[in-house]
Amino acid sequence: GENVEQHPSTLSVQEGDSAVIKCTYSDSASNYFPWYKQELGKGPQLIIDIRSNVGEKKDQRIAVTLNKTAKHFSLHITETQPEDSAVYFCAASKGQGAQKLVFGQGTRLTINP
Amino acid sequence: GAVVSQHPSRVICKSGTSVKIECRSLDFQATTMFWYRQFPKQSLMLMATSNEGSKATYEQGVEKDKFLINHASLTLSTLTVTSAHPEDSSFYICSALEGGGYEQYFGPGTRLTVT
Repeated sequence: GENVEQHPSTLSVQEGDSAVIKCTYSDSASNYFPWYKQELGKGPQLIIDIRSNVGEKKDQRIAVTLNKTAKHFSLHITETQPEDSAVYFCAASKGQGAQKLVFGQGTRLTINP
Repeated sequence: GAVVSQHPSRVICKSGTSVKIECRSLDFQATTMFWYRQFPKQSLMLMATSNEGSKATYEQGVEKDKFLINHASLTLSTLTVTSAHPEDSSFYICSALEGGGYEQYFGPGTRLTVT
């Protein structure tokens, strides 16, 4: 089955700097890659996603890149703010319909003021 | 955006009792709902996939007789933890999928503590 590896497990950056979180996946049939932000005691919130027919997607300060050949995708957050502090999860699935998500291990991001 | 609710948000029960958690899609019809469990400082682990009107599909290692899932309508799925034990204490999260879409909409989670 699919296996998703996420690095680093913790990341601390200064406010205003950029943060990058990387994930690799094992199943070449996976074609949907969402990123979630989870705050303490809450459910995950989708922040951006990408499908395998696209190499990069951007939404304001957040971007995701996908390298299908290498089977890895990354989350980039620019101009970080204290409210970006949270746990971030990447996930992979085989796309539409009742396709289950396989999650990475999570990255605890801390933005230092 | 699509909203998924869970009830209760937190529950404390005694060992040996059963607890029911509800997951509702508030503004869309969810053909498929998923149930996850998350232990402290760990990732989300899929427990089961439920489709409206049919039996749930459980992940390997998840006891279907202990974690009963019912998806009786397109807006409601329930997870019942039967004969709960302290090791069942965890954060339970549901998600819902609208039709043949890609995006799963997650609920706010239910914190279960078994004493």
